[in-house]
Amino acid sequence: QQQVKQSPQSLIVQKGGISIINCAYENTAFDYFPWYQQFPGKGPALLIAIRPDVSEKKEGRFTISFNKSATQFSVHIMESQRGDSATYFCAASINYGGATNKLIFGTGTLLAVQP
Amino acid sequence: KAGVTQTPRYLIKTRGQQVTLSCSPISGHRSVSWYQQTPGQGLQFLFEYFSETQRNKGNFPGRFSGRQFSNSRSEMNVSTLELGDSALYLCASSPSVGTRGTQYFGPGTRLTVL
Repeated sequence: QQQVKQSPQSLIVQKGGISIINCAYENTAFDYFPWYQQFPGKGPALLIAIRPDVSEKKEGRFTISFNKSATQFSVHIMESQRGDSATYFCAASINYGGATNKLIFGTGTLLAVQP
Repeated sequence: KAGVTQTPRYLIKTRGQQVTLSCSPISGHRSVSWYQQTPGQGLQFLFEYFSETQRNKGNFPGRFSGRQFSNSRSEMNVSTLELGDSALYLCASSPSVGTRGTQYFGPGTRLTVL
């Protein structure tokens, strides 16, 4: 099943709080899981990515947690700031021997950080 | 380095017409992928090109086609436009295939079909 399910659809967080977005997948052949951030009028930009052999990866205020047995992964945004207000997409990909860059995207989460 | 460039940024067409969208990848990048973004379906993969060859194709009707030129620039064409083709069309460039961690998206072309 080539789908990635993302929740919640929208999220409101107070400034300084933690934003948590979750994704789930069924195809265990997926081997690369990136998160993208998209601002209005812009294309998605890669935030952080993880591979199945790692359970957690942190870059600044962004942390990806990966649960291989549950086929779920999530992103935590610590100390959320107004500038984090954007749409976030999780994605998944299968290497196919290095033959493709195709990404399967989740449906997106609109994050609003309130002052 | 300049980023991914997409032209035009906005386009209005009527049903039945055809449209061509253009993507110039980052200098040195040879792989170009196209995605359709709509509020209902999110981001969906259209096709991927590398060295002028289509490497992968998404589940879209034959009205959607693309090509890549020797300078890595890519175009996609939609013939016989339908209302449901209204979307943001995004292009992503990457140095090569299998370099998923280095895909960069352009700002997109907003297509409106009336």
